Amino acid sequence: AQSVTQPDIHITVSEGASLELRCNYSYGATPYLFWYVQSPGQGLQLLLKYFSGDTLVQGIKGFEAEFKRSQSSFNLRKPSVHWSDAAEYFCAVGSTSGSARQLTFGSGTQLTVLP
Amino acid sequence: DVKVTQSSRYLVKRTGEKVFLECVQDMDHENMFWYRQDPGLGLRLIYFSYDVKMKEKGDIPEGYSVSREKKERFSLILESASTNQTSMYLCASSFPGRGYGYTFGSGTRLTVV
Repeated sequence: AQSVTQPDIHITVSEGASLELRCNYSYGATPYLFWYVQSPGQGLQLLLKYFSGDTLVQGIKGFEAEFKRSQSSFNLRKPSVHWSDAAEYFCAVGSTSGSARQLTFGSGTQLTVLP
Repeated sequence: DVKVTQSSRYLVKRTGEKVFLECVQDMDHENMFWYRQDPGLGLRLIYFSYDVKMKEKGDIPEGYSVSREKKERFSLILESASTNQTSMYLCASSFPGRGYGYTFGSGTRLTVV
């Protein structure tokens, strides 16, 4: 069964600082990987996704993520955080077979941005 | 843009009531999903559907059922609501093919008292 671990429950950074959110996955084949962001009281918005090819993927809002097969990781990065980035971030792994290809989500990382 | 609409943002129901949570998507997606979100647990899949009248159990189906009579609508049913079903419920939809990603609704925060 697939699973996702986000080891950091809460991260605090200063505005303008760099950011890295960690994600480790468990899956028996090459996975589909996703990062979503959830602002307070809202649903989840897709930031970026990895299916194959270049292991560094670019997303919206200046985010990027790097797939490292040897480490089973898909960490999210941003070089300079803005106050509006404060939100909860979810990593997810998608099954590559089956009819509906459901996603399995991590438990989330809450990001606080200090002025 | 694809829109996924959940009919209620907030609901308060009594223990033992039958509760219906409605979700409608407007982009002809085959797949639809119901998740519940709880602090520290992330999102957990309750049920999903990959076609009209088709449904499959997710990781935590106990106490829930679903209905998909039309492609655009996926309903989550709490047959007899209990306090441990107080949660945020998120609906999502997607195409089945490669390149898929979920589009989420804004969520329904259900409180069972």
